[in-house]
Amino acid sequence: AQSVTQLDSQVPVFEEAPVELRCNYSSSVSVYLFWYVQYPNQGLQLLLKYLSGSTLVKGINGFEAEFNKSQTSFHLRKPSVHISDTAEYFCAVSDPGGYNKLIFGAGTRLAVHP
Amino acid sequence: DTEVTQTPKHLVMGMTNKKSLKCEQHMGHRAMYWYKQKAKKPPELMFVYSYEKLSINESVPSRFSPECPNSSLLNLHLHALQPEDSALYLCASSTRDRVTGELFFGEGSRLTVL
Repeated sequence: AQSVTQLDSQVPVFEEAPVELRCNYSSSVSVYLFWYVQYPNQGLQLLLKYLSGSTLVKGINGFEAEFNKSQTSFHLRKPSVHISDTAEYFCAVSDPGGYNKLIFGAGTRLAVHP
Repeated sequence: DTEVTQTPKHLVMGMTNKKSLKCEQHMGHRAMYWYKQKAKKPPELMFVYSYEKLSINESVPSRFSPECPNSSLLNLHLHALQPEDSALYLCASSTRDRVTGELFFGEGSRLTVL
């Protein structure tokens, strides 16, 4: 069975500082990996995804993530955060053979302080 | 602006009421989803419709009844709910012809059961 572990429930950071949100996955088959963001009182929005190919994936809003198969990780990074990046971030995995059936991690609350 | 529209945004109902949540998308997607999200938790998959047919039911209690009248609409009929069913209900859609993992989410319907 697939699962996702987000190692940090909350990450406080100052504006313009770099940030890394950690995600590890468990799967016995090849997987697709995703990061979604949820701003307060809103639905989820796709930040980036890894399906195949280059292990460094660039997404929207200056975020990027690196797929590391040996460490089963897919950590999200941004070199300089803004106040507007304050949100909940979810790492997710799906089975390539499935119905885009996403399994989400518990989420990481990114709080950017001035 | 989200391309998946959910109504109502807020709903308060008693345990004996019958109500419905509605979801509409006009992106030509042929897969539609219902997710349930409790406070400070990740979304949990409830149902998946593919080409207007129910493809996945994640062992959801029968007091939740999904319906997909056509390729653009998805309903969730609610009856005899319990207070623990209070949550944010998220609708999503995706392409079906190729599994990419990208789900487009609505802003959700926040349900309170008294």
